Amino acid sequence: GEDVEQSLFLSVREGDSSVINCTYTDSSSTYLYWYKQEPGAGLQLLTYIFSNMDMKQDQRLTVLLNKKDKHLSLRIADTQTGDSAIYFCAERGSGYSTLTFGKGTMLLVSP
Amino acid sequence: DAGVIQSPRHEVTEMGQEVTLRCKPISGHDYLFWYRQTMMRGLELLIYFNNNVPIDDSGMPEDRFSAKMPNASFSTLKIQPSEPRDSAVYFCASRGTGGAGSGANVLTFGAGSRLTVL
Repeated sequence: GEDVEQSLFLSVREGDSSVINCTYTDSSSTYLYWYKQEPGAGLQLLTYIFSNMDMKQDQRLTVLLNKKDKHLSLRIADTQTGDSAIYFCAERGSGYSTLTFGKGTMLLVSP
Repeated sequence: DAGVIQSPRHEVTEMGQEVTLRCKPISGHDYLFWYRQTMMRGLELLIYFNNNVPIDDSGMPEDRFSAKMPNASFSTLKIQPSEPRDSAVYFCASRGTGGAGSGANVLTFGAGSRLTVL
């Protein structure tokens, strides 16, 4: 089946930029997503990118997509302690109704 | 909209008991998904419905698990009998059907039901 891989953990200091990386295998991916999960809560959509785009910016968030390498990244500028959470990458293949999720990257932001 | 509503938020039960988790999707959404999240296995898709009809239940672990969607605004996930290895957070999520770039096809999650089976 299709697969989405993420590194498990990232630690940064407050004010630095964070970059969370994701690779996927489905060459027919149409949409790619980043979700955020805070402790005790559900997954909250942060942003998504259509596969014919290579970049999307939304305030402090920048998503980069390299479709050739099947690589997606999420950059958070000026990272704050409130950004500490688990970040999930997900992809939706063409013709598929479901998303394939990575196992999540835990981001820890220290003061 | 109040979002996807799940109940109960927390459930502690003893092995062998029946557990019923409930979900109210966002009004107008025609897809509903049940996921299970554990530390070891991450987020697993159990089953999903389209227009109240189960489409793919290949993720349901075994016959002890069943899910229903009697109408567009309500779904249940039942475990009978429950076992300690069923302890997890169970998420319900819903989405609509929209064209490219439409926010309607974005998957929205509930807050989850944390199940502990002793």
